[in-house]
Amino acid sequence: AQKVTQAQTEISVVEKEDVTLDCVYETRDTTYYLFWYKQPPSGELVFLIRRNSFDEQNEISGRYSWNFQKSTSSFNFTITASQVVDSAVYFCALARNAGNMLTFGGGTRLMVKP
Amino acid sequence: DVKVTQSSRYLVKRTGEKVFLECVQDMDHENMFWYRQDPGLGLRLIYFSYDVKMKEKGDIPEGYSVSREKKERFSLILESASTNQTSMYLCASSLPGQVFTEAFFGQGTRLTVV
Repeated sequence: AQKVTQAQTEISVVEKEDVTLDCVYETRDTTYYLFWYKQPPSGELVFLIRRNSFDEQNEISGRYSWNFQKSTSSFNFTITASQVVDSAVYFCALARNAGNMLTFGGGTRLMVKP
Repeated sequence: DVKVTQSSRYLVKRTGEKVFLECVQDMDHENMFWYRQDPGLGLRLIYFSYDVKMKEKGDIPEGYSVSREKKERFSLILESASTNQTSMYLCASSLPGQVFTEAFFGQGTRLTVV
């Protein structure tokens, strides 16, 4: 069975702090994809990143970075120098098969205070 | 820009009513999905469709049905709404099959059943 766990339900930081959102997954598949989505107050999920199971290179995009470690089945997301606009609910997800069905974690609500 | 449009942002329905949630996408995607979002549970897959008139059950199909008569439109139907179906409903679409691309989401419909 597939499972994604985001142990942090809510995180509150002050602007300019760095923050890491944790994601741990379970799967028996050897080929799989991991995703992060952002859900701002408007409600629409915004795609942030896709990573396949064969690529463990860390990725950086501006203030965002992702650390994928197969050994610990983790795909953590770090925001550097957080801003108020980063306040949102963030979801980690695992693609289960070729049908692109996603298994989502419970989400982490990030609040960045000025 | 891919656009996934859900017909209503907010709906209030009475217990026992038949409810239709409509979703339209404009990118000719084969795959379409209906998810339900509840606090702490993340998004859970209700149904998905990988082609016109094709449908597959997701993790929580009970109490729901779907219809896909045209490629761009995927409807979620609550045959007899109940209070435990009060939730946020999100529609998504994606490219087909072996391509693990990201899913694009609509803004969500917040349904309240009273």
